[in-house]
Amino acid sequence: GEDVEQSLFLSVREGDSSVINCTYTDSSSTYLYWYKQEPGAGLQLLTYIFSNMDMKQDQRLTVLLNKKDKHLSLRIADTQTGDSAIYFCAEKIGSSYKLIFGSGTRLLVRP
Amino acid sequence: DTAVSQTPKYLVTQMGNDKSIKCEQNLGHDTMYWYKQDSKKFLKIMFSYNNKELIINETVPNRFSPKSPDKAHLNLHINSLELGDSAVYFCASSQGGTMLSYEQYFGPGTRLTVT
Repeated sequence: GEDVEQSLFLSVREGDSSVINCTYTDSSSTYLYWYKQEPGAGLQLLTYIFSNMDMKQDQRLTVLLNKKDKHLSLRIADTQTGDSAIYFCAEKIGSSYKLIFGSGTRLLVRP
Repeated sequence: DTAVSQTPKYLVTQMGNDKSIKCEQNLGHDTMYWYKQDSKKFLKIMFSYNNKELIINETVPNRFSPKSPDKAHLNLHINSLELGDSAVYFCASSQGGTMLSYEQYFGPGTRLTVT
């Protein structure tokens, strides 16, 4: 079945690293995505990873994919207060146009 | 320069009314979507159109009817609004193709409140 799960809340101190985790159930995922939603705004695509990769780095963001365990993580280095937002992971199944979203992780960065 | 725009941003209306939300994208994409985000921030796809053809139609009450007059527009019409329809509705677009990553770009959302 299609199910994507995330922990609801993460609090870190400014300057520390944040790691947001996501698990999914469908082994036919082709792409996995991380989106950021700031208060009152739409979703902003941060990064994505193809399912045959295990890591992707983009400036302060590092995505790790463990396909065997169906586990995806987003690491934000040197977390800033502007990173406070809700982070959604999403998976694309096969050639479907549909994205399945997780419930979102609310990241709070304390000064 | 807004890539995906929606109108209105806020919509407050009474139960039983009919309302529409409009979406436009200027990215040249061929696929557009409607999502509903509930009060717990859970995001679920409702519809998708590819080149004006309906390709995704999730389990949504038939009071909701999408209309795509052209590739750049996807509107959502809701009849007989109910309290449970209160949510934020997001429009999104992507460029299709089996070898592409289907990155979806989202609009700013329309907050619908039914009283």
